[in-house]
Amino acid sequence: DTEVTQTPKHLVMGMTNKKSLKCEQHMGHRAMYWYKQKAKKPPELMFVYSYEKLSINESVPSRFSPECPNSSLLNLHLHALQPEDSALYLCASSQDISEQYFGPGTRLTVT
Amino acid sequence: ILNVEQSPQSLHVQEGDSTNFTCSFPSSNFYALHWYRWETAKSPEALFVMTLNGDEKKKGRISATLNTKEGYSYLYIKGSQPEDSATYLCASSGSARQLTFGSGTQLTVLP
Repeated sequence: DTEVTQTPKHLVMGMTNKKSLKCEQHMGHRAMYWYKQKAKKPPELMFVYSYEKLSINESVPSRFSPECPNSSLLNLHLHALQPEDSALYLCASSQDISEQYFGPGTRLTVT
Repeated sequence: ILNVEQSPQSLHVQEGDSTNFTCSFPSSNFYALHWYRWETAKSPEALFVMTLNGDEKKKGRISATLNTKEGYSYLYIKGSQPEDSATYLCASSGSARQLTFGSGTQLTVLP
């Protein structure tokens, strides 16, 4: 199984809502990532988990809260988001420093 | 070059034409150059990972070259087909696991 799955595919939320994005992989990868992509822009790294521990936080606002419950799962908890947070959120995993495997993303709209 | 830059931003070619596009990246602290193919509503798919100056990789009609001294990579598609239509992303990584992406080249192959 070389697939990274993400749920939901689409999410619309208000600025006072709390929601979570989920990512799952069963390739035994020990590193997992969250990226944010705005239209016509490159994906931007948000967080890196290595062996279930947060290793990189690219100065992401605290309204985004990552969680890695186990080596196969990665969540992104969302609270009090702003309309400018609307974007495609991509999850990826990798075994080592070589290629990362990406999920299809969650399209988030904040109203 | 501080960022990863790709050109052209978009490209339309006729079926059967061969085409190529460019990725420029910082040559300092370089570890690897990644090419991804991204079809709409799907996951980015890893095409190549290259690390050594002069590396050339090939997968079917698609090939890539790497020049780490001058900081560029070319992706070539021979005999383009409509199913090659996608956004082609390149990303550079340093000694850490982080990928820095370009904005992509959007290829449309017209039948």
